[in-house]
Amino acid sequence: NAGVTQTPKFRVLKTGQSMTLLCAQDMNHEYMYWYRQDPGMGLRLIHYSVGEGTTAKGEVPDGYNVSRLKKQNFLLGLESAAPSQTSVYFCASSYSIRSRQFFGPGTRLTVL
Amino acid sequence: KNQVEQSPQSLIILEGKNCTLQCNYTVSPFSNLRWYKQDTGRGPVSLTIMTFSENTKSNGRYTATLDADTKQSSLHITASQLSDSASYICVVSAMPGGGADGLTFGKGTHLIIQP
Repeated sequence: NAGVTQTPKFRVLKTGQSMTLLCAQDMNHEYMYWYRQDPGMGLRLIHYSVGEGTTAKGEVPDGYNVSRLKKQNFLLGLESAAPSQTSVYFCASSYSIRSRQFFGPGTRLTVL
Repeated sequence: KNQVEQSPQSLIILEGKNCTLQCNYTVSPFSNLRWYKQDTGRGPVSLTIMTFSENTKSNGRYTATLDADTKQSSLHITASQLSDSASYICVVSAMPGGGADGLTFGKGTHLIIQP
C-alpha cells in the first residue's frame, strides 16, 4: 500500500497563476483533508471531505477550491496564486472523523 | 475558543536520556487526544490516540498520559535515540457529532537529540 501520496512534491508559481495539487489514498478512507503548514503556525485546515462528492470549508478556505470526484482522490486548486499562499501543503485521510489521520509527504509551494 | 498549548517550544537532550513533552488544552467537549511525530520534510505520523477514559498509552519507547480533569497530556520518550529528533504535535478533537474543523492542532515541540 502506498498510503497517501501527493503530487507534485515541489512547485514554484508566479502571482496570478493557477495550479492543482493532487492527493490520492489507497486505504478506502471516507475522510480526506487538506492542510497548510507555515513556520510557527502549526497545521491549519483548508478544506475537507467526508465522502465522495462532498466538500466542506475548514479554518482557512479563502483562495482555495477542492473537489472529490472519486473516493480515492482529493484535489486542491489555487485559481490565482498569491505570495501569502507560499506554504507546505499536506493531505491526510482517515477511516472516520474520530480515527487517526494518515498524512501524505507534503507539497512545498512557493509563489513569487 | 478551543486552544492547544505545547511546551516547551524546543528541547535539546543527549542521546539515551529521557524527556517529557507537555500539552495543555481548552478544547470542549473533548473527544480524543492525539500525538503525532513529524520528521523534517515529511508528513506527521500518528503515535497514539487517547479517549477520555484512557490515562496511559504506550507505543514502544513513547508513552502518552492524559488527565481529562486538568486537561493535560504528556508524551514521555524513554532512552532517546537520534531518530527521535523531530517535531511532536498534540492534536485535540472536539467532535461529538462530526466536522473535521473540530480538530485543534498545537504548534508542536521541536526535539533535537544530540549524540
